[in-house]
Amino acid sequence: EAQVTQNPRYLITVTGKKLTVTCSQNMNHEYMSWYRQDPGLGLRQIYYSMNVEVTDKGDVPEGYKVSRKEKRNFPLILESPSPNQTSLYFCASSLRLAGGTDEQYFGPGTRLTVT
Amino acid sequence: AQSVTQLDSQVPVFEEAPVELRCNYSSSVSVYLFWYVQYPNQGLQLLLKYLSGSTLVKGINGFEAEFNKSQTSFHLRKPSVHISDTAEYFCAVSERGNNDMRFGAGTRLTVKP
Repeated sequence: EAQVTQNPRYLITVTGKKLTVTCSQNMNHEYMSWYRQDPGLGLRQIYYSMNVEVTDKGDVPEGYKVSRKEKRNFPLILESPSPNQTSLYFCASSLRLAGGTDEQYFGPGTRLTVT
Repeated sequence: AQSVTQLDSQVPVFEEAPVELRCNYSSSVSVYLFWYVQYPNQGLQLLLKYLSGSTLVKGINGFEAEFNKSQTSFHLRKPSVHISDTAEYFCAVSERGNNDMRFGAGTRLTVKP
C-alpha cells in the first residue's frame, strides 16, 4: 500500500530534550516536506527537500533541522524543543513538485507537546 | 509569493443541505489550485485539483469546485452533504514553476442531523 508513515504519532517531552520524528514514504517520490498545523493558521511549511541531499527552508524553519540521506526518509529533528513548538506535525511527499502540479500525500500526523 | 484566504473558519449545516466553502487566492502568475480534506485524527487527502482546462472541477465524494480567474476564487461546493462530510477542508495554491504549496487556514465543516 502506497503511504507516508510517521513515528511517533504522539509525543510528550520536556524543554531542551532533543527529539526526532521520522518520516518514510514508499512511493519513490522525489519531493518531501514537513508542515506544522496550528489552530487558525492552517499548515505552514517547515522544510522541504527536492531530492536526496537537497533541502531548503520553508516558512517557519527556526528551531528545526532535517536531513535527506535516502530518498524514502526525511526525519525532522528538534535539537532543543521549546513550548512554542507544541503542534501537530505532518510529513508529505509528492512525485515532483517542481512546476507545482503534483498533489501531496500526507502522513497521519505527529502530535507533539513540549512542557 | 502566493497566498490563500479561506473566508469562513467554521460552517455548520444540516444533513442533505447544500454547502459552499469559500477560497480566494492571491498570485501574480498562473496558479494551480487544490482542495484537501482532513477527517478527525487523520492526515490530509486530496479532494480535487485544478491545473488547466475546464474551470469546473469534480472531485471525490460528490464535491466540485469552480475556478474563477477574474475573482481569484476557487470555491468548493456540494449539493447535499452527509454526516460523514464533517471534517476540516483546506484550500491550497501553488504557482507555475514554483516549488512550494501554500495552504489556507482551513474551514471546519460540521454536518448536523
